[in-house]
Amino acid sequence: EVQLVESGGGLVQPGRSLKLSCAASGFTFSNYYMAWVRQAPKKGLEWVATISTSGSRTYYPDSVKGRFTISRDNAKSSLYLQMNSLKSEDTATYYCARLGGYRAFDYWGQGVMVTVSS
Amino acid sequence: DVVLTQTPPTLSATIGQSVSISCRSSQSLLDSDGDTYLNWLLQRPGQSPQLLIYSVSNLESGVPNRFSGSGSETDFTLKISGVEAEDLGVYYCMQATHAPWTFGGGTKLELK
Repeated sequence: EVQLVESGGGLVQPGRSLKLSCAASGFTFSNYYMAWVRQAPKKGLEWVATISTSGSRTYYPDSVKGRFTISRDNAKSSLYLQMNSLKSEDTATYYCARLGGYRAFDYWGQGVMVTVSS
Repeated sequence: DVVLTQTPPTLSATIGQSVSISCRSSQSLLDSDGDTYLNWLLQRPGQSPQLLIYSVSNLESGVPNRFSGSGSETDFTLKISGVEAEDLGVYYCMQATHAPWTFGGGTKLELK
């Protein structure tokens, strides 16, 4: 059974940093692109970052480019999101997601809440 | 950025009723490789999103066949043939043809 379990969320002040983790199991982690998707409270979904199987290629929307860094450790079947210079608008539930065929997010974690507030 | 407009924003249905959700794109989602990367997801209350349909019309494994997807270029439709109670929640279309990948605003399906 595919499982994605996020951790590392919490309350952080604006301008500070936070690192999220996602532990994957039930599939060969190194064979899949992975991604982070977020959802602000009572809002829709927003793609945040994608990483290739080896980690050599990463992709971001402009809203987080230069502040967020996605990375992975295939030996540990783990995905990470380093978030720097956090803003109030980064407050959201962050989901770890597996990228299946046809660029579709076929498995999602349960999500982890990040609140940016003073 | 590609804007995906979903209509209606809210849909009221009775059990057994067939319903459709529209997703219109501000640009063609036909990729240069010949595929169209338009997917549909459902987020049930209090749960994570789950994939229903990928590449316009392909049913994800384990998803009931009362769900179907159609469309091309800029106009896409998700149809539920006979709503069941477990289908309630928010439906999102999502495009992965153009960077940045974007989602529609969602359509909330509720019981009438």
